[in-house]
Amino acid sequence: GAVVSQHPSRVICKSGTSVKIECRSLDFQATTMFWYRQFPKQSLMLMATSNEGSKATYEQGVEKDKFLINHASLTLSTLTVTSAHPEDSSFYICSARASGTDRSPLHFGNGTRLTVT
Amino acid sequence: DAKTTQPNSMESNEEEPVHLPCNHSTISGTDYIHWYRQLPSQGPEYVIHGLTSNVNNRMASLAIAEDRKSSTLILHRATLRDAAVYYCILRDVPGNTPLVFGKGTRLSVIA
Repeated sequence: GAVVSQHPSRVICKSGTSVKIECRSLDFQATTMFWYRQFPKQSLMLMATSNEGSKATYEQGVEKDKFLINHASLTLSTLTVTSAHPEDSSFYICSARASGTDRSPLHFGNGTRLTVT
Repeated sequence: DAKTTQPNSMESNEEEPVHLPCNHSTISGTDYIHWYRQLPSQGPEYVIHGLTSNVNNRMASLAIAEDRKSSTLILHRATLRDAAVYYCILRDVPGNTPLVFGKGTRLSVIA
């Protein structure tokens, strides 16, 4: 079945540094990928929609200059948390649907747990 | 996307059936009913989806009310590995749109 791979699974970084998270669709192409964030005991919140070859679309309240998204190919989207602070500590999850299959399920990565010290 | 209402939590004994309810009284005619679940420290995974008729797959069954204002996810024999948060989500197709997650139901399975 369709697989979305996310890397790294967990990362600890110091305040002020930047962290890049990769999301790959392993056996399908995805023109669109979605990035979510989940705080402890809460539900997933959509951060942005990543579009291959164009700019990402950010949800209200999500700083585009802080959360840089690059979708350079049909199988890879990256989320860079710039100048991370402790409040950015969260579980980041990407998802994708195979291109041309609007009715098919979304496939999710296993998430990246970011801890900013 | 139309809103769904689910109980915050439910508990089941291992190897017994579990019925997880979802109310969606404002569902539109083109909304599909999707169920996903999220195991601890993992991303969500697809469980099942349907439009009007009841659906079965290897993971679960989905029973949809005749007026489509509610649905029930049925796990036929709960195992400890089924302990997760279950999300009922409505999604209108077409369009490559994201899923909007509510709070879901946290299912605990007791051995």
